[in-house]
Amino acid sequence: DGGITQSPKYLFRKEGQNVTLSCEQNLNHDAMYWYRQDPGQGLRLIYYSQIVNDFQKGDIAEGYSVSREKKESFPLTVTSAQKNPTAFYLCASSIENRDTEAFFGQGTRLTVV
Amino acid sequence: AQKITQTQPGMFVQEKEAVTLDCTYDTSDQSYGLFWYKQPSSGEMIFLIYQGSYDEQNATEGRYSLNFQKARKSANLVISASQLGDSAMYFCAMREDLFSGGYNKLIFGAGTRLAVHP
Repeated sequence: DGGITQSPKYLFRKEGQNVTLSCEQNLNHDAMYWYRQDPGQGLRLIYYSQIVNDFQKGDIAEGYSVSREKKESFPLTVTSAQKNPTAFYLCASSIENRDTEAFFGQGTRLTVV
Repeated sequence: AQKITQTQPGMFVQEKEAVTLDCTYDTSDQSYGLFWYKQPSSGEMIFLIYQGSYDEQNATEGRYSLNFQKARKSANLVISASQLGDSAMYFCAMREDLFSGGYNKLIFGAGTRLAVHP
């Protein structure tokens, strides 16, 4: 079955640590996105990528980094520079960033302990 | 300024009744797309329906329809014959400047929580 796989589902991080969230898709989509969701709020865009080896900052990129070395993969690293990283993170992909819907993964819930 | 506004933080509806979830948007582009997503308590985002600014007719997908009023910049979601499984968060989203070839991010509203009562 085609889809988007995020791992892990739950992640705990100590203060000062970097952590990497995985996002893999087998939909052959060019565009991929990372969103952050805080309780009771909508989704805010962290980074997006239209093609391999190219990505753009979204609205809240500070403290995060990404890479796009393969079409299928778009990992997100939450660095120690991110002051409030506890949130729900959603990865998405779409055929292209036009009039097609984005498909989402199941999300990763990150908690700083 | 808010690009997508969902003014109803929470809505209640009786099972089998219809419900309308409001969404207004702000853009100066001529070509844009509007999306509705459902987010159950499990967290995944489920695509429901899409409306292009260039579409003459309102979009429909099964029990979901989109009441698109371009002049008012509104794209309300109508769910007919509500079911208990419809209880979830619902998000309106927009993608602007669809055909410029540049990066067109998907912008989300804050969401509306719908509760369907038996």
